[in-house]
Amino acid sequence: KAGVTQTPRYLIKTRGQQVTLSCSPISGHRSVSWYQQTPGQGLQFLFEYFSETQRNKGNFPGRFSGRQFSNSRSEMNVSTLELGDSALYLCASSPRQGIRELFFGEGSRLTVL
Amino acid sequence: DAKTTQPPSMDCAEGRAANLPCNHSTISGNEYVYWYRQIHSQGPQYIIHGLKNNETNEMASLIITEDRKSSTLILPHATLRDTAVYYCIVRVAPSGDKLIFGTGTRLQVFP
Repeated sequence: KAGVTQTPRYLIKTRGQQVTLSCSPISGHRSVSWYQQTPGQGLQFLFEYFSETQRNKGNFPGRFSGRQFSNSRSEMNVSTLELGDSALYLCASSPRQGIRELFFGEGSRLTVL
Repeated sequence: DAKTTQPPSMDCAEGRAANLPCNHSTISGNEYVYWYRQIHSQGPQYIIHGLKNNETNEMASLIITEDRKSSTLILPHATLRDTAVYYCIVRVAPSGDKLIFGTGTRLQVFP
């Protein structure tokens, strides 16, 4: 069974640009959540999607947004990039039924110059 | 979700048991204890979870004290590949997939 797939794995952007990251969950998993990891703040929850609806949101500015498609694939977008947005962005999926663990992808490492 | 406290770092000799403690003194009755680990530059990996009984799987054992205010993750025979940051997380299981990660314990397994 294929794991969570995130693309691209690495990317470099400049301040003011926008970026879109993609996540394909494990087959059959309907919940996708996103996390940001930085050396200073550690792992922080961004948002969670289930059945194309955002179910939970972390404490991030509106420049961070996401969506989920009918096939459960998800994208997150960051607009007007700032240097502080440089981070590892992790996607996790789960079946979202009962007690469950999250399965994380390898992440997309974003560098903002 | 309740807050957890973990030591910042621990060492363990290869082949020995690694015992990683976690304090969650404000845990409530419907909150579960989850453990994840993150090997350098990879996404976090689920290890084990429990409510009040001790749990064991192929990766580790989880010992939860009777008052549920603390727990210990046990890796029975640590290998070099177990070197990672280990996160103890407390949450209400059906509350969604929002995990509050603390700073974790950096476990270094040495030969």
